[in-house]
Amino acid sequence: AQSVTQLGSHVSVSEGALVLLRCNYSSSVPPYLFWYVQYPNQGLQLLLKYTSAATLVKGINGFEAEFKKSETSFHLTKPSAHMSDAAEYFCAVTLTDSWGKLQFGAGTQVVVTP
Amino acid sequence: EAGVAQSPRYKIIEKRQSVAFWCNPISGHATLYWYQQILGQGPKLLIQFQNNGVVDDSQLPKDRFSAERLKGVDSTLKIQPAKLEDSAVYLCASSSPGLAGGHETQYFGPGTRLLVL
Repeated sequence: AQSVTQLGSHVSVSEGALVLLRCNYSSSVPPYLFWYVQYPNQGLQLLLKYTSAATLVKGINGFEAEFKKSETSFHLTKPSAHMSDAAEYFCAVTLTDSWGKLQFGAGTQVVVTP
Repeated sequence: EAGVAQSPRYKIIEKRQSVAFWCNPISGHATLYWYQQILGQGPKLLIQFQNNGVVDDSQLPKDRFSAERLKGVDSTLKIQPAKLEDSAVYLCASSSPGLAGGHETQYFGPGTRLLVL
């Protein structure tokens, strides 16, 4: 069975600093990987997804993630944090024959300080 | 394009009462999902529909939870009777399957926040 582990339940970054959110996956076959963002009292919104086309994936709002098979990782980065990036971020995995069933990590809460 | 609609947004009930949540997916989306998100955790899939058929309900507590999607469009999730541990946000999502090969984007509604007292 596949799973994801997000390292760090809370991350605090200064405005303008690098945002780095860590995600490691466990899967016996090549997975599809996703990053979603959740703002307070809202549903989840897709930031980006890895579907084996390219290992470096660019998403919305300046975020990107790199799939590293050797490290079983899919870390999310943004070069310069903005106050509007304060939210909860979820990494998720699915397999090719799982009808799109997503397995989510526990989430990382990002706080941006001025 | 209208997004996924859910109602109500908030619900407070006492334990052993029943409650129902409604979801209307994005028009044309054949796949509909219900997730439970407990505070401090990621969403957990409860049930997945393809049109009006169930694809996966392996994590649905069937002794108290039920869901239906009678005409392949909107869906209702019911809890009867509710327990304290059912306090959570219930998220509905939809996707348009087929072309993307299993990695279709799921579009989420705003959720229903349930508090069981």
